[in-house]
Amino acid sequence: NAGVMQNPRHLVRRRGQEARLRCSPMKGHSHVYWYRQLPEEGLKFMVYLQKENIIDESGMPKERFSAEFPKEGPSILRIQQVVRGDSAAYFCASSPPVRRNYNEQFFGPGTRLTVL
Amino acid sequence: AQTVTQSQPEMSVQEAETVTLSCTYDTSESNYYLFWYKQPPSRQMILVIRQEAYKQQNATENRFSVNFQKAAKSFSLKISDSQLGDTAMYFCAFAGTPHSGGSNYKLTFGKGTLLTVNP
Repeated sequence: NAGVMQNPRHLVRRRGQEARLRCSPMKGHSHVYWYRQLPEEGLKFMVYLQKENIIDESGMPKERFSAEFPKEGPSILRIQQVVRGDSAAYFCASSPPVRRNYNEQFFGPGTRLTVL
Repeated sequence: AQTVTQSQPEMSVQEAETVTLSCTYDTSESNYYLFWYKQPPSRQMILVIRQEAYKQQNATENRFSVNFQKAAKSFSLKISDSQLGDTAMYFCAFAGTPHSGGSNYKLTFGKGTLLTVNP
């Protein structure tokens, strides 16, 4: 059973370009979470999605950032007009439908975004 | 809002010895979950151990155990018989529960402790 897949692993963009980060959850998982890790920091929650629905985007910057999890295909985190401050590692996690008080989130290897 | 504090940015230990990493947190929720994650140089986030706040017994996973002090809001990780492969960043994390008015999906992380195991 393959784990959470993220691609690309490394992404370099120039200021003003767009960055698209992809996440394929584990088989059977319908919940996806995106986190951002700035240098020297812990991971910070950005958004929680289920298939075709954004459940909680309270951690997403209001501008330039968007996320989707379509019925078919991977979840996409999109950053428009990137700035140097967007340079970070972006982690995706997935979990099965929540049946208990808490379901473990399984993390992908992350995408390291560098903005020149 | 919950906060998680790890006061030790870096620690080192000799192979085969025991080390304890500290974590404190702040919350008004009555029930919640606490975690320790390991992030080796590969940057993959790996769950080490999980503790449910309503359980008084400290969680253990092989060489890893926790000292959970609910009243003090403290959640330390003890690594016994340290191995070179334990070298990594260790993150303490918190998740609430819906029954306590919190979110059970939004993990709140500390800034991490870099542990180096020396041969």
